[in-house]
This record gives sequence, structure tokens and C-alpha cells, in this order.
Amino acid sequence: SQTIHQWPATLVQPVGSPLSLECTVEGTSNPNLYWYRQAAGRGLQLLFYSVGIGQISSEVPQNLSASRPQDRQFILSSKKLLLSDSGFYLCAWSVVGEQYFGPGTRLTVT
Amino acid sequence: SQKIEQNSEALNIQEGKTATLTCNYTNYSPAYLQWYRQDPGRGPVFLLLIRENEKEKRKERLKVTFDTTLKQSLFHITASQPADSATYLCALAHSGGYQKVTFGTGTKLQVIP
Repeated sequence: SQTIHQWPATLVQPVGSPLSLECTVEGTSNPNLYWYRQAAGRGLQLLFYSVGIGQISSEVPQNLSASRPQDRQFILSSKKLLLSDSGFYLCAWSVVGEQYFGPGTRLTVT
Repeated sequence: SQKIEQNSEALNIQEGKTATLTCNYTNYSPAYLQWYRQDPGRGPVFLLLIRENEKEKRKERLKVTFDTTLKQSLFHITASQPADSATYLCALAHSGGYQKVTFGTGTKLQVIP
């Protein structure tokens, strides 16, 4: 069966610090991978999606970036965090339509 | 501009009744529409997918309808239970690029015992 992992579960970072969130998927090959952000009480905002290794589509211009160094690994990064980067970050995978989400990372930028 | 609208107000219903949630969209030609459930502090969980050429789909106590003329989907939970209390999100997959999915803001359902 397929499993999706995200870490860390929670993170508190100062403004201006770097960020690296990692997501890995097990039990499937060549999945579509997604990064979403959810602000408190808000909907899911699609940040990046990837249909293959090295292929990244960005949906929202901001100080975040994403990379897919391996088929089932998706990394979200920032060189300098802003206060507005706080939120609940979710990674998801899909093959034919429905998306399967990881447990999420709660990021607080102070 | 493209927009997905779900009732932002919480929906409170009595246990045993049917809950009906609405998802309206504008300026989309979706290939398919999905419904997810999200509990606090957790990622969304996929419930149902309905394609543009389908009118209705069922799964146990859940039923989804999809009217591409009205640009609306209805999500029904019959014989609702307190355990059904959660936020329900609708999501549209864009035609011509099915990899991209856009979520609505969700409707919070509270089932009262």
C-alpha cells in the first residue's frame, strides 16, 4: 500500500532563517506531487506541483521553491522565511485523480 | 477570474438527518470534481470523485451530484452521525491539465447528537 511521509511535524523558525521541508512517498511510481499551504481557518493554496523528476510548476510567486531530486521525494525550501510563511504545509501525491495527503507540517515563523 | 465557492458558514444538523453541502464554481471547465474531508490539524482525506460526464455518484452514505450547466456540485451525507463532523472541501481538476487541482475553502459540518 502507498504511504506518504512528511517531516518535521512542527517547526518554529525565526524570520530570515532558511527552510527545508521534506516529503516522501512509498508504494507507487512516478506520482504527481504537490505542496499546499493552509493558513489558519483558510482553504488550501497550491504552491507547487510536479509531474516528474526535475519538473516543477509554481503556482504562487513568493520566496519559496520546490525540488524533486528523486521520483518519490519532494522538497520545499526557502532561503529566508517571512512572517507570512507561517501555516500548515501539506504534501500530496496522485496518480489518476484523487490526491492523498501527508500528515502536514505546522510552521510558525516568529 | 476562476472561483470555487463553498458556504463558509458552519452547517449544523441533527443526528440522523441528511446533510447537504454545496460547491459552486465559475470560469472553470473541470475534468472532474472531488470531495474531501478534513479534520482539525490533519490533511484532507479523499472521499469521492465525479467526472464531467457523470451526474451522480454514491459511496455508502455519501452521494455527490455534478451539474456542469449550473456549475454546481452537491454533497449529501445521509443518516448523519456525530463522527461525520468535519470540514468538507470540494476540489476541481482542470481540464487540459489534470494534474492541477484547486480546492475550495470548505464548509464545516457539525452533527449534533
